[in-house]
Amino acid sequence: DIQVTQSPSILSASVGDRVTITCRASQSSSSWLAWYQQKPGKAPRLLIYRASNLEDGVPSRFSGSGSGTEFTLTINSLQPDDFATYFCQHYDSSSFSFGQGTKLEIK
Amino acid sequence: QVQLQESGPGLVKPSQTLSLTCTVSGASISSGNDYWSWIRQPAGEKLEWIGRIYASGYVSYNPSLKSRVTISIDTSKNQFSLRLDSVAAPDTAVYYCARGKWLHFAHDYWGLGTLVTVSS
Repeated sequence: DIQVTQSPSILSASVGDRVTITCRASQSSSSWLAWYQQKPGKAPRLLIYRASNLEDGVPSRFSGSGSGTEFTLTINSLQPDDFATYFCQHYDSSSFSFGQGTKLEIK
Repeated sequence: QVQLQESGPGLVKPSQTLSLTCTVSGASISSGNDYWSWIRQPAGEKLEWIGRIYASGYVSYNPSLKSRVTISIDTSKNQFSLRLDSVAAPDTAVYYCARGKWLHFAHDYWGLGTLVTVSS
């Protein structure tokens, strides 16, 4: 079973900042890594799939990168609407694992 | 616009069976190679994938839950369902249904989630 560790758990930033969130897999595997945004009372929103592909309709300030065991989500020029919780999802061997989530707070 | 909505009892007694249904609108549950997942999140914990089903009826489950889980699909109603047997307090969680894309194994549409509490 591949374990996924996401960091940090909480991230404080200001509007206009650039932030990075990391997911690490316990062993090297495929790049079936996705990133989601979740706000209270709302359904999770897919941002990035296959590590670096932007989902339709997602602003270009969101980007994903990485392979093997380390993957990152970067948000450039934070907007007020971006303050939310972000989590990663890894797929391997017919099973899915999720990161613990990162709460992005206004500093 | 694709929408998914979970429905079912919000309270289940220990040792009984949890049953939830996900109703899909804006897309046919039997079209393409999409799959349909159940995912849950206990309060303060990370998301846990429960299992998925294809329109063909092929299913795969989280090994840690496999012995207690059954996912089924009703293409005539555009619904799929979750059954979790012998529930206990640790099964208390928000349960989500979601659509998965086989091309990249991400879930592009999710329901809002429904809280199921296991308590006597």
